Amino acid sequence: AQSVTQLDSQVPVFEEAPVELRCNYSSSVSVYLFWYVQYPNQGLQLLLKYLSGSTLVKGINGFEAEFNKSQTSFHLRKPSVHISDTAEYFCAVSPYGNKLVFGAGTILRVKS
Amino acid sequence: DAGVIQSPRHEVTEMGQEVTLRCKPISGHDYLFWYRQTMMRGLELLIYFNNNVPIDDSGMPEDRFSAKMPNASFSTLKIQPSEPRDSAVYFCASSLSGGWGGSVTEAFFGQGTRLTVV
Repeated sequence: AQSVTQLDSQVPVFEEAPVELRCNYSSSVSVYLFWYVQYPNQGLQLLLKYLSGSTLVKGINGFEAEFNKSQTSFHLRKPSVHISDTAEYFCAVSPYGNKLVFGAGTILRVKS
Repeated sequence: DAGVIQSPRHEVTEMGQEVTLRCKPISGHDYLFWYRQTMMRGLELLIYFNNNVPIDDSGMPEDRFSAKMPNASFSTLKIQPSEPRDSAVYFCASSLSGGWGGSVTEAFFGQGTRLTVV
């Protein structure tokens, strides 16, 4: 079975500061990795994904994530956040074959 | 493409009533997922289909819940009878298989149906 742990339930940060949202996963098989964002009262939108190849993945809105196989981590980063980045962020894994397993989510609060 | 379309967006019903949530996946996608989101339990996978066939329904909470996918462009999630603890946002998502032997590569989510059972 697979599981995803998002280590912080909430992350407050000031505008224009850097941010890192942490994600660790557990799986006995190879997985694909994803970060989704959910704005209030909306569905989930894909930020970025790691399928194979370079371990540094760039996504939309200036976000990037690094896959670390030895540490089974896939942390999300942004060098300078904006007020509009305030949302909930979900890390997810897709084990070989099917389905997405999500973490509990991290609420990013950007303050002015 | 219009994306994954869910209806209704909001549903308020009385305890004991039957509720049907609907989903139209993105055309050509062969995977369809139903998720439930609550404050207490986060995002839970209820059931998913591949080529209209249910593959894993282990997340369906009780026999009161049922899901069907009669064709590639339509799926329903039914709760009968509904209870207040079923109140949640229900998401439908679809995906196109690819990569290794059909693995899910990315799921596209609908806007969700906010269900309130009073």
